[in-house]
Amino acid sequence: KAGVTQTPRYLIKTRGQQVTLSCSPISGHRSVSWYQQTPGQGLQFLFEYFSETQRNKGNFPGRFSGRQFSNSRSEMNVSTLELGDSALYLCASSFRNGGGNEQFFGPGTRLTVL
Amino acid sequence: AQKVTQAQTEISVVEKEDVTLDCVYETRDTTYYLFWYKQPPSGELVFLIRRNSFDEQNEISGRYSWNFQKSTSSFNFTITASQVVDSAVYFCALGEETSGSRLTFGEGTQLTVNP
Repeated sequence: KAGVTQTPRYLIKTRGQQVTLSCSPISGHRSVSWYQQTPGQGLQFLFEYFSETQRNKGNFPGRFSGRQFSNSRSEMNVSTLELGDSALYLCASSFRNGGGNEQFFGPGTRLTVL
Repeated sequence: AQKVTQAQTEISVVEKEDVTLDCVYETRDTTYYLFWYKQPPSGELVFLIRRNSFDEQNEISGRYSWNFQKSTSSFNFTITASQVVDSAVYFCALGEETSGSRLTFGEGTQLTVNP
């Protein structure tokens, strides 16, 4: 079974631009969560989607948004990029949403904002 | 509010030594889940174990073992006879029944196993 895939793996943008990251969950998984990892803040939850609906949202500004498609693939978008948005963005998928589900993580997209 | 604390930022050991990574959590939920993940230099988080709040049995998987103690809100992870391949950042995480799939992660512990 293929794992979680994320594209692109690396991205360089400049301040003010916007970016879209993509995540394809494991086949059959319907829940997708996004996390931001930075050296200063560690791993922080961005949002979770299940059945095309956002079910949970972390404490991030509205510049961060996401969506999920009918095939469970998910995208996250960051508008008006800031230097502080430089991070590793990780996507995780699970079969269901809910606290006890094992989540499988993708390799991440490393975003650098110049 | 939920919180996970991994007080050990970095640990360095020599191969074959045993090492314990500490994890302390805070939650108001009575139903919650605890996880350990390993993050090698490649960046991908690798799932190691999940425990629910009603199951305090310790678990052993090969060289790995976990000690869950609700009385001290701790979920510690021990690697026996460490190997160089164990070098990675290890994260403890908390999931709550009322928070969907959201995980709250600790700061991580960088483990370096030297030959």
